[in-house]
Amino acid sequence: AQSVTQPDIHITVSEGASLELRCNYSYGATPYLFWYVQSPGQGLQLLLKYFSGDTLVQGIKGFEAEFKRSQSSFNLRKPSVHWSDAAEYFCAVGPLFSGGYNKLIFGAGTRLAVHP
Amino acid sequence: DAGVIQSPRHEVTEMGQEVTLRCKPISGHNSLFWYRQTMMRGLELLIYFNNNVPIDDSGMPEDRFSAKMPNASFSTLKIQPSEPRDSAVYFCASTTGAAKNIQYFGAGTRLSVL
Repeated sequence: AQSVTQPDIHITVSEGASLELRCNYSYGATPYLFWYVQSPGQGLQLLLKYFSGDTLVQGIKGFEAEFKRSQSSFNLRKPSVHWSDAAEYFCAVGPLFSGGYNKLIFGAGTRLAVHP
Repeated sequence: DAGVIQSPRHEVTEMGQEVTLRCKPISGHNSLFWYRQTMMRGLELLIYFNNNVPIDDSGMPEDRFSAKMPNASFSTLKIQPSEPRDSAVYFCASTTGAAKNIQYFGAGTRLSVL
């Protein structure tokens, strides 16, 4: 069955420290992969996406993610965290466009807290 | 573009009342999703429309929930009668094939059923 696992429910880092949020997926084909961020009281905003090609993708706000097919992973990274990065982060997997069926599968989310 | 627009942003109602949540997708998008987010269950897909037709409503919790999309620019999610356990944030998202499944989310409606 298709699924997305975010092993870490909560992560706390100090401002200026590096960050890595983990995402593992189970999917029968090459997926589309996404990271979304949700700030308190807001909707989900796309951080970055992977469709094909270069497995290291850059996103907004200084985030990047690397697709590793052999590990079925798409981990999100940032070299230096800012206090404004405190939010909840969601990994998502999409089926290939087929017959108009565009559903995404979301992970449970990782809540990031940033210490000053 | 104004993005996905949801209304109201907040809704407080009493148990047993009818609640209607509204969503205007991004112009040109032909797929629309309704999600529910709670602390206990996370983000759940309730129903998905493609070209105004409901494709998958397996996530709708029970018959008290219904959703319509009368045209490409408007959708509603109705709960009747509402119950306290329906309290959650409800999100609408839209996409199109040309956007390669990137879903664009509205700001959500926070529903409190007392």
